[in-house]
Amino acid sequence: ETGVTQSPTHLIKTRGQQVTLRCSSQSGHNTVSWYQQALGQGPQFIFQYYREEENGRGNFPPRFSGLQFPNYSSELNVNALELDDSALYLCASSPRTGGEEQYFGPGTRLTVT
Amino acid sequence: RKEVEQDPGPFNVPEGATVAFNCTYSNSASQSFFWYRQDCRKEPKLLMSVYSSGNEDGRFTAQLNRASQYISLLIRDSKLSDSATYLCVVNMMEYGNKLVFGAGTILRVKS
Repeated sequence: ETGVTQSPTHLIKTRGQQVTLRCSSQSGHNTVSWYQQALGQGPQFIFQYYREEENGRGNFPPRFSGLQFPNYSSELNVNALELDDSALYLCASSPRTGGEEQYFGPGTRLTVT
Repeated sequence: RKEVEQDPGPFNVPEGATVAFNCTYSNSASQSFFWYRQDCRKEPKLLMSVYSSGNEDGRFTAQLNRASQYISLLIRDSKLSDSATYLCVVNMMEYGNKLVFGAGTILRVKS
């Protein structure tokens, strides 16, 4: 196992609600990235955090926001949920931002109804 | 044009077969390349990094052609347990440590 944990495992929300997803990175890793994976697609980069600062962002609207804490754990917040936000949300950690491989947690499956 | 494109699949092969997956990427500035494996409803797991000189890990061989912006994965002597989706992944260094994934190719190995 990678040592990356995510919570919750599954979540059902209603359109318009807000959600917070959590991730604990692998020990020694200071960089956390978040990805959204829709059914039948590859993961899409949302953003990355390095030492508590955002370090790159994909093509996602501002209602997707995040935080990284001093212990390098991270949160992904999504406001005003839409039906298309239903997906597997994956967190990945890496030891630094230098292009190494990333290690994924098991993901949170979000369903928006 | 998608940043990373893969063979559409699915590939249905018998046990023991050799199968090859291809992938192309659009950004010539890409610097790191990987193959990840993803089982149904699970997270992606790193299969192997891909180096310019080519590299092998047991039954798996990866090749990179920077001039053609092309990556390949060869699986020899396929096992039932190789059945999964294989994701071609490129690290876009200009965006920090952003991984760009292809849509994946499904492999089904049958007895």
